[in-house]
Amino acid sequence: ETGVTQTPRHLVMGMTNKKSLKCEQHLGHNAMYWYKQSAKKPLELMFVYSLEERVENNSVPSRFSPECPNSSHLFLHLHTLQPEDSALYLCASSQERTDYGYTFGSGTRLTVV
Amino acid sequence: DQQVKQNSPSLSVQEGRISILNCDYTNSMFDYFLWYKKYPAEGPTFLISISSIKDKNEDGRFTVFLNKSAKHLSLHIVPSQPGDSAVYFCAARSTGGGADGLTFGKGTHLIIQP
Repeated sequence: ETGVTQTPRHLVMGMTNKKSLKCEQHLGHNAMYWYKQSAKKPLELMFVYSLEERVENNSVPSRFSPECPNSSHLFLHLHTLQPEDSALYLCASSQERTDYGYTFGSGTRLTVV
Repeated sequence: DQQVKQNSPSLSVQEGRISILNCDYTNSMFDYFLWYKKYPAEGPTFLISISSIKDKNEDGRFTVFLNKSAKHLSLHIVPSQPGDSAVYFCAARSTGGGADGLTFGKGTHLIIQP
């Protein structure tokens, strides 16, 4: 139990589907993050939320839509994805946005067919 | 362009010997460096970190060395144990007003041979 829980663990979706990834942290942290890990590439920062406000969007395509309804929950809404979006999506949290140490969830393995 | 580089995709070390994982960076604004360890089907977990004002930080079997002039850091694990087999990610961040979030390398897969 890492304190950061991601669901589902695995997801297969068609290119016309709409799905959502969920992240929940039980650590009382104020900042949450979405990272993408593709094969043979570094972890790529997608979105940063601090106190439920989005503070960073690293040029992510609009087919990825984040939502942070409160400091404990983070969603990534997916629609009309492409096969190249298949990857491991990792959620992380930290006490504050300026903290150095992140706690990661186990990730959602997404396959777009 | 990658700002954090781990040039060895994999490394095989015999149990009991020293494992040395290397990381290079290009951004002079980075002032804090971290190593994360990742097992299959799990998220990365924090291992050890070092501030740019130091050149060494030790925690049990793990030691991180920082050479600022060379923009190079390394993680030493001694003695290596079978449970150390995992992917190790080097990460860095800056506090000088740069983008939030950690910048990661591609990772090095460490395999400890019995």
